[in-house]
Amino acid sequence: DAGVTQSPTHLIKTRGQHVTLRCSPISGHKSVSWYQQVLGQGPQFIFQYYEKEERGRGNFPDRFSARQFPNYSSELNVNALLLGDSALYLCASKLSVYTGELFFGEGSRLTVL
Amino acid sequence: GIQVEQSPPDLILQEGANSTLRCNFSDSVNNLQWFHQNPWGQLINLFYIPSGTKQNGRLSATTVATERYSLLYISSSQTTDSGVYFCFLFGNEKLTFGTGTRLTIIP
Repeated sequence: DAGVTQSPTHLIKTRGQHVTLRCSPISGHKSVSWYQQVLGQGPQFIFQYYEKEERGRGNFPDRFSARQFPNYSSELNVNALLLGDSALYLCASKLSVYTGELFFGEGSRLTVL
Repeated sequence: GIQVEQSPPDLILQEGANSTLRCNFSDSVNNLQWFHQNPWGQLINLFYIPSGTKQNGRLSATTVATERYSLLYISSSQTTDSGVYFCFLFGNEKLTFGTGTRLTIIP
């Protein structure tokens, strides 16, 4: 069975641009969450979605948004990119929002120039 | 929000040594996992352990939820054990990584 898949794996953007990152959960998993990991720090929680509804939000500005589709895949969007948005963006999935082990994808590494 | 502190922050050991990593948390949670992050950034599941004790080869973990801590034991360390170890706590809408322990195993 395929694990959590993320795309793209690497990308380079310039300040002010917009980026969309994609995540496909493990088959049967209905909860997806997103994290930002800046170099040298631990991952920080951004969003959690379950059954297409937002079920938790971390301390990130409104430039960050996400959604979950009927097939449980998810997109993370970041507008008006800043240099400080350069980071590894991680997606994770689990069976439900209430319980279950979390599994992470390999991440999308974003560089903002 | 919940505070999750790990200790020690850095640990350097000779190959073959044993180690204990600790995770303290400030509030009760439903779920706890331990991860190993390799040099390429991949988060590898070690244990899903909201309570009790589990063992997997050279690794074992114990969570005492009533006292709000979890321990990860690594025995007979190998160089491939190097990396950053995170505990991760999550309830229904709260998901928090610990501060991490960077482990370096010297041949």
